[in-house]
Amino acid sequence: DAKTTQPPSMDCAEGRAANLPCNHSTISGNEYVYWYRQIHSQGPQYIIHGLKNNETNEMASLIITEDRKSSTLILPHATLRDTAVYYCIVRVGWGGSQGNLIFGKGTKLSVKP
Amino acid sequence: ETGVTQTPRHLVMGMTNKKSLKCEQHLGHNAMYWYKQSAKKPLELMFVYNFKEQTENNSVPSRFSPECPNSSHLFLHLHTLQPEDSALYLCASSQDEGRGPYEQYFGPGTRLTVT
Repeated sequence: DAKTTQPPSMDCAEGRAANLPCNHSTISGNEYVYWYRQIHSQGPQYIIHGLKNNETNEMASLIITEDRKSSTLILPHATLRDTAVYYCIVRVGWGGSQGNLIFGKGTKLSVKP
Repeated sequence: ETGVTQTPRHLVMGMTNKKSLKCEQHLGHNAMYWYKQSAKKPLELMFVYNFKEQTENNSVPSRFSPECPNSSHLFLHLHTLQPEDSALYLCASSQDEGRGPYEQYFGPGTRLTVT
């Protein structure tokens, strides 16, 4: 079962920041937080991951709370193309079954004009 | 374009047919994965290969038979499938399954319909 809790859906206005929350209150010290998204009927797309520190790349920013029990994915200027299901996943940083990506139901983000 | 290609993109097959799904990655990765996504269900991991060796079989029925001839190619051989096997089958690759944290890159999927 997924170890994360996400709201089932969110709306965001085009051009505004989209802030997607994720609760992972049982996260272990060796588990990373990963974010993927899946646009309708396509394969999931990797967005970003982090362990303790906040991370930023060309797609998004990841803010992890100090106690690591929750995180927020920020899309700074959402566009219509960002409409997708966003998955927050925790996993250890190595292989084996503990390192598998366990996808939950995610958050369906709808970006509206 | 993620560097992971899958063929065919759509497949319709009868329950008595035998077919194969193909995945190819152009990323120089050493680990490859098969996932299944049924309608309104989360993605489910099926098989994991690392350096051509199968490292995980997630209790998948034997009517699904994977093959990994090299680190760049992965096949899923299908025979005597059931209508409930209709789903989107996704292939992914990562740099190394044994060490990380490496992100996985997914192909576009094969939409399979079993009639």
